[in-house]
Amino acid sequence: GDSVTQMEGPVTLSEEAFLTINCTYTATGYPSLFWYVQYPGEGLQLLLKATKADDKGSNKGFEATYRKETTSFHLEKGSVQVSDSAVYFCAQGGSEKLVFGKGTKLTVNP
Amino acid sequence: NAGVTQTPKFQVLKTGQSMTLQCAQDMNHEYMSWYRQDPGMGLRLIHYSVGAGITDQGEVPNGYNVSRSTTEDFPLRLLSAAPSQTSVYFCASSSPRRYGYTFGSGTRLTVV
Repeated sequence: GDSVTQMEGPVTLSEEAFLTINCTYTATGYPSLFWYVQYPGEGLQLLLKATKADDKGSNKGFEATYRKETTSFHLEKGSVQVSDSAVYFCAQGGSEKLVFGKGTKLTVNP
Repeated sequence: NAGVTQTPKFQVLKTGQSMTLQCAQDMNHEYMSWYRQDPGMGLRLIHYSVGAGITDQGEVPNGYNVSRSTTEDFPLRLLSAAPSQTSVYFCASSSPRRYGYTFGSGTRLTVV
């Protein structure tokens, strides 16, 4: 069945470091891909999305490119801030329902 | 807009009790879903609905019932609570015209 695999955390970085969180998916078709972020004690917020191959989603300095050939959607940010500390979820699907990865906890230290 | 509203935010149940988690959205979204979040497991789909009167099972439906009598509301019923249902529950909504869901702030349920 459809699934999402993302790198296990936790990930701890210093402020201004480069971030990569890997995400790969398996799907029977061509799903849309998403990154969601969850700050402590809150629900999930859509961070960025891509709906077709080679699309690049971007928001708040984060980027991810839909790579069909490698079935990947890796999240990157060039310079992280303390305020980026959160749990990040990769997901695939469409309008009806989503399949999530297990989440990667990011901690950014000053 | 309030978005997706979930009530209650916290709940403690005894094993065997029943309860309903409420979810309401004011965005006129056709699609609504319930997920549970457990440590190390990510979010898993319980039930979802593509419109009023239409529901379907997700990955982990056992022990839960849903109904969708209106576009706005999508309650989740626990028939006989078990400790394995201790979790954080999220409701979400979307529409065919957009990709990705809008999530509520969650209900933290503890079954003792």
